[in-house]
Amino acid sequence: EADIYQTPRYLVIGTGKKITLECSQTMGHDKMYWYQQDPGMELHLIHYSYGVNSTEKGDLSSESTVSRIRTEHFPLTLESARPSHTSQYLCASSAHRDSGNTIYFGEGSWLTVV
Amino acid sequence: GEDVEQSLFLSVREGDSSVINCTYTDSSSTYLYWYKQEPGAGLQLLTYIFSNMDMKQDQRLTVLLNKKDKHLSLRIADTQTGDSAIYFCAESIRGYSTLTFGKGTMLLVSP
Repeated sequence: EADIYQTPRYLVIGTGKKITLECSQTMGHDKMYWYQQDPGMELHLIHYSYGVNSTEKGDLSSESTVSRIRTEHFPLTLESARPSHTSQYLCASSAHRDSGNTIYFGEGSWLTVV
Repeated sequence: GEDVEQSLFLSVREGDSSVINCTYTDSSSTYLYWYKQEPGAGLQLLTYIFSNMDMKQDQRLTVLLNKKDKHLSLRIADTQTGDSAIYFCAESIRGYSTLTFGKGTMLLVSP
């Protein structure tokens, strides 16, 4: 069972507001990820991290930023939210083990920008 | 480049078997995964298979891997209404730090 937590689960904010989505994992995983999920289901990797002080951009360009100051914490920030940022954001983590690079997901944060 | 393809939708009746198919293009895949996503939730790991295996069974789930055709399938026996969800196929490629996901198959189980 994965121990990865996201807050808030649901959020409605106004255009231009700054928002930080929190993600924490208690499994000691080195790698962490942020995915954005379309209403049509497809997952898009927007950021990932190999470990502390490491951040990389994913396949889909995003106006969000991330930081990795502690192993267990990988927050995602939108400096100025827009309606196009309305989506579900999924945080995940992994460690290379016998099952390969198995990724474990949080429950997701639903963001609506009005 | 890597690409994972799945059919978008499958509808079955309760008690029947469901088979969800997936094809991938990268022959250097090491592990292949099936994830389940229920409405409003994150992705839950269902099962995975190492690329040198042909089959893996776990209770009602059977994973079949045809490495020659780069085809992966997930069979759910005695499908229940609680199995209704979106199922994602994913591959792990040697040297890549992330998984490549398919677009998901929505399984609808009717009573």
